[in-house]
Amino acid sequence: QKEVEQNSGPLSVPEGAIASLNCTYSDRGSQSFFWYRQYSGKSPELIMFIYSNGDKEDGRFTAQLNKASQYVSLLIRDSQPSDSATYLCAVKRPRRQNTGFQKLVFGTGTRLLVSP
Amino acid sequence: EPEVTQTPSHQVTQMGQEVILRCVPISNHLYFYWYRQILGQKVEFLVSFYNNEISEKSEIFDDQFSVERPDGSNFTLKIRSTKLEDSAMYFCATAVDEQFFGPGTRLTVL
Repeated sequence: QKEVEQNSGPLSVPEGAIASLNCTYSDRGSQSFFWYRQYSGKSPELIMFIYSNGDKEDGRFTAQLNKASQYVSLLIRDSQPSDSATYLCAVKRPRRQNTGFQKLVFGTGTRLLVSP
Repeated sequence: EPEVTQTPSHQVTQMGQEVILRCVPISNHLYFYWYRQILGQKVEFLVSFYNNEISEKSEIFDDQFSVERPDGSNFTLKIRSTKLEDSAMYFCATAVDEQFFGPGTRLTVL
């Protein structure tokens, strides 16, 4: 079982629609969850993080976390062609009490295509 | 806005040669990481570094790899004898809590 699983896509949505990206993780001890956006040939860019069950909104982005189901999602409202990228779900694996030592475990990413 | 920087952006080397990849962290960040991404694959953790020592390393980070912070600003990844399979994008990330990634170094081993 993969530690972090994502559908590779592509997920195609028309401009203005809501894009819904999903991620599941295997380690119940995971406590911090991140969404990174990666354009082709570029580095991951942090767009959202969530630590508690429920929803967290930031502009057009909403992250949703359900620890019981080990499920994280990212909703992008009013999708734009510039949102076309690969969205990486990442989970912090706890190693020590100090959060700074925790490495990120990434999924393979979901490619999002927003058509004009 | 402060950013993580990396040099060089692209490094081409012959198999068996040593390479050093450099990173300048965001100034108040204390935790440093190296990740790599082979073309078409996921981002993989290599090593984390804090207080001038390695705090965790992955199975990928074998004896050919080393990290150091030689001058209190730069954070370097050295590969002593490169292999073809080391060809990848190498990303430095730094953190107070959330990790921010540099632009990466594309390493091509011929």
